[in-house]
Amino acid sequence: AQSVAQPEDQVNVAEGNPLTVKCTYSVSGNPYLFWYVQYPNRGLQFLLKYITGDNLVKGSYGFEAEFNKSQTSFHLKKPSALVSDSALYFCALGGGYQKVTFGTGTKLQVIP
Amino acid sequence: KAGVTQTPRYLIKTRGQQVTLSCSPISGHRSVSWYQQTPGQGLQFLFEYFSETQRNKGNFPGRFSGRQFSNSRSEMNVSTLELGDSALYLCASSLRDESEQFFGPGTRLTVL
Repeated sequence: AQSVAQPEDQVNVAEGNPLTVKCTYSVSGNPYLFWYVQYPNRGLQFLLKYITGDNLVKGSYGFEAEFNKSQTSFHLKKPSALVSDSALYFCALGGGYQKVTFGTGTKLQVIP
Repeated sequence: KAGVTQTPRYLIKTRGQQVTLSCSPISGHRSVSWYQQTPGQGLQFLFEYFSETQRNKGNFPGRFSGRQFSNSRSEMNVSTLELGDSALYLCASSLRDESEQFFGPGTRLTVL
């Protein structure tokens, strides 16, 4: 069975500082990995994905994520946090013939 | 292109009733997935349809069912509603197996 873990319920970071939101996964075979963001009272929006290729993936709004196969991780990063980045972030695994499994979500709070 | 649309946006029902939610995917998308989002349980996968066939199913009781029509529109039905079914129900569509999902705004179901 596949699984996704987001070990932090909440991450607090000062505006302008780098941010990291952690995600680890477990799956047999090659993973499809995604990050989504949910702003208050809005649906989920796609940020970035890893299917194959370069381990460093760049996405929307200046976010990037690094796929690390040996550590089975796919952490979301941004060099300089903005207050407007405050939202709920979900890591997801799967797609196609594999059902999509979402992590429990990490609330990111960027402090002015 | 129009985004994923869900109707109705809000619904109030009483225990024991049944409800049908509708989702129209982005034009050309053949995969439609349904999720239940609650504060306590996070984002839970319900089922996924591809070309009118249920391809994946989550761990929900048989009271939850769905279908997909030839135009890719999908409906989700919940029978014999329980208080615990109160949640935001999200629909998402995608183009290919490795593609990201595009989410609708959700239907907020309240069971009294």
